[in-house]
Amino acid sequence: IAGITQAPTSQILAAGRRMTLRCTQDMRHNAMYWYRQDLGLGLRLIHYSNTAGTTGKGEVPDGYSVSRANTDDFPLTLASAVPSQTSVYFCASSGGPTYGYTFGSGTRLTVV
Amino acid sequence: GQQVMQIPQYQHVQEGEDFTTYCNSSTTLSNIQWYKQRPGGHPVFLIQLVKSGEVKKQKRLTFQFGEAKKNSSLHITATQTTDVGTYFCSIISNSNSGYALNFGKGTSLLVTP
Repeated sequence: IAGITQAPTSQILAAGRRMTLRCTQDMRHNAMYWYRQDLGLGLRLIHYSNTAGTTGKGEVPDGYSVSRANTDDFPLTLASAVPSQTSVYFCASSGGPTYGYTFGSGTRLTVV
Repeated sequence: GQQVMQIPQYQHVQEGEDFTTYCNSSTTLSNIQWYKQRPGGHPVFLIQLVKSGEVKKQKRLTFQFGEAKKNSSLHITATQTTDVGTYFCSIISNSNSGYALNFGKGTSLLVTP
């Protein structure tokens, strides 16, 4: 089934550790995005990539990095996790600015 | 980037009652998208509105785009328990690095049988 796969589904991480959240899509969408969702704050954009090889910063990029080596994969890395990065992380993709987004099932990350 | 305000933040209705959520912007929008997120789930694309004054229907859901393209609404007629979830509006934000959707904070709908 075409869609987006995120891994892991959930993770408990010690503060200061490095962590990479994985996101893979098989729809050949050019654009991919990372959002974090926190209660009362909605979905906030972390980083995005409109095409392979390019990335951009969203509303809350600090403490996160991304890469887009190919069309299908868009990993999100936390270099040194802090408790404020406890959140649900959603990866999404789209075929372009006038298309709806397809979201992955999310990664629930707890930093302790 | 552009931001949207969404109201109300929460709505609790009895099954069978109607429900409306509103999305407002201070600037003219090129388009607006609506998403639904069930509890514990991920956002799912519902619809995109592009034209001034546009009205689109999906069964009991009616989506409207304002004449000035600064606001939008989602109306659900005769709510059912399956309508429970959070409804988000979103708008395109463009920058030198590219484009991405900015989401409103959502309206959480609770439907009591």
